[in-house]
Amino acid sequence: DTGVSQNPRHKITKRGQNVTFRCDPISEHNRLYWYRQTLGQGPEFLTYFQNEAQLEKSRLLSDRFSAERPKGSFSTLEIQRTEQGDSAMYLCASSPGTSGEETQYFGPGTRLLVL
Amino acid sequence: GQSLEQPSEVTAVEGAIVQINCTYQTSGFYGLSWYQQHDGGAPTFLSYNALDGLEETGRFSSFLSRSDSYGYLLLQELQMKDSASYFCARGQNFVFGPGTRLSVLP
Repeated sequence: DTGVSQNPRHKITKRGQNVTFRCDPISEHNRLYWYRQTLGQGPEFLTYFQNEAQLEKSRLLSDRFSAERPKGSFSTLEIQRTEQGDSAMYLCASSPGTSGEETQYFGPGTRLLVL
Repeated sequence: GQSLEQPSEVTAVEGAIVQINCTYQTSGFYGLSWYQQHDGGAPTFLSYNALDGLEETGRFSSFLSRSDSYGYLLLQELQMKDSASYFCARGQNFVFGPGTRLSVLP
């Protein structure tokens, strides 16, 4: 399967701990997106990369959140000093990056539970 | 601001046709997409409208009217497997609607 993959699929942590999630996009996709989704809601945009450049960040992305895509391939999303309100599904998506409007291909997500 | 509105729930029976509406309020416009998400699954792309009119993809069609800031997803010949949440999404700024939960009854 050459789709978007995310690891881990599930993460349980205690409040105050740091967590890091990884996303591997579809090979040769230049754009990579991070979203957060809570139960019964649509995905909320967090940030997006064009190759290794982080081009846009949502105001939802507080200073406890940081995302990287060091070589323009996989990406990591780190949450520092987790809070219970961070409990959500974190979705990654990728797209080719060859035109302005593109279909996004989503990974299975990482479900985070902060106790 | 940028927001999209959808009905929260829709129920229909197998074989029927259902329309899920999406209205948006935003400055500028970059197209409207539709995604399907089954419980516990990831959103998957269904359809995209860059311009006004109807786009047809098998049993699913999507319509857009930019002058009315309105679009819809039309699902025909409903099947049980179509029970899922459906999201409209505005491109460029990656804004998703709250989703419509479709329940298909036998």
